[in-house]
Amino acid sequence: GQQVMQIPQYQHVQEGEDFTTYCNSSTTLSNIQWYKQRPGGHPVFLIQLVKSGEVKKQKRLTFQFGEAKKNSSLHITATQTTDVGTYFCAGLRASNYQLIWGAGTKLIIKP
Amino acid sequence: DTGVSQNPRHKITKRGQNVTFRCDPISEHNRLYWYRQTLGQGPEFLTYFQNEAQLEKSRLLSDRFSAERPKGSFSTLEIQRTEQGDSAMYLCASSSSDWYGYTFGSGTRLTVV
Repeated sequence: GQQVMQIPQYQHVQEGEDFTTYCNSSTTLSNIQWYKQRPGGHPVFLIQLVKSGEVKKQKRLTFQFGEAKKNSSLHITATQTTDVGTYFCAGLRASNYQLIWGAGTKLIIKP
Repeated sequence: DTGVSQNPRHKITKRGQNVTFRCDPISEHNRLYWYRQTLGQGPEFLTYFQNEAQLEKSRLLSDRFSAERPKGSFSTLEIQRTEQGDSAMYLCASSSSDWYGYTFGSGTRLTVV
């Protein structure tokens, strides 16, 4: 069935370093969404990408959707302690409006 | 309307007991989803409603699980004869027809002892 693969599973960075997580889908997606889940919290919607090749920015966060609408990435510049959490991508299945979730990438700031 | 509300926040129950959770979605949202999440894992889909109709149910969901959404407003998720493997965070989310982003509630953490 349709799957969304997300890598890496964990990324340890020093505060101030950059962070990137990647998602790849086995099939073309209608759109892709990104969520952040803080430790002990629930997923919070960050952004939705719809168009082929779309790039969106939110302050230090840059989101990209691939030309073939099969892959996406989230890049955080100069990480801060407030960025800690797990970042999930989720592709929208157009047939039933359900999200297909990646496994998440946990961002850990080294002390 | 302040978002998706879930009750209770925590539930500890003995194995074999039945439990029921409630979700109040954002009032304008016609789609409602239940997910389960265990530590270190992503959300696992359980079931989906559009208005009052339950349109999809995960094959992973045993017959012990049932969900309802009477009148297309709040929803309840019941687990009968709970097992230790049911211990998890149960998340509810809602979305609308014209905006596909999900708004999650804070979840109900179930512990089966």
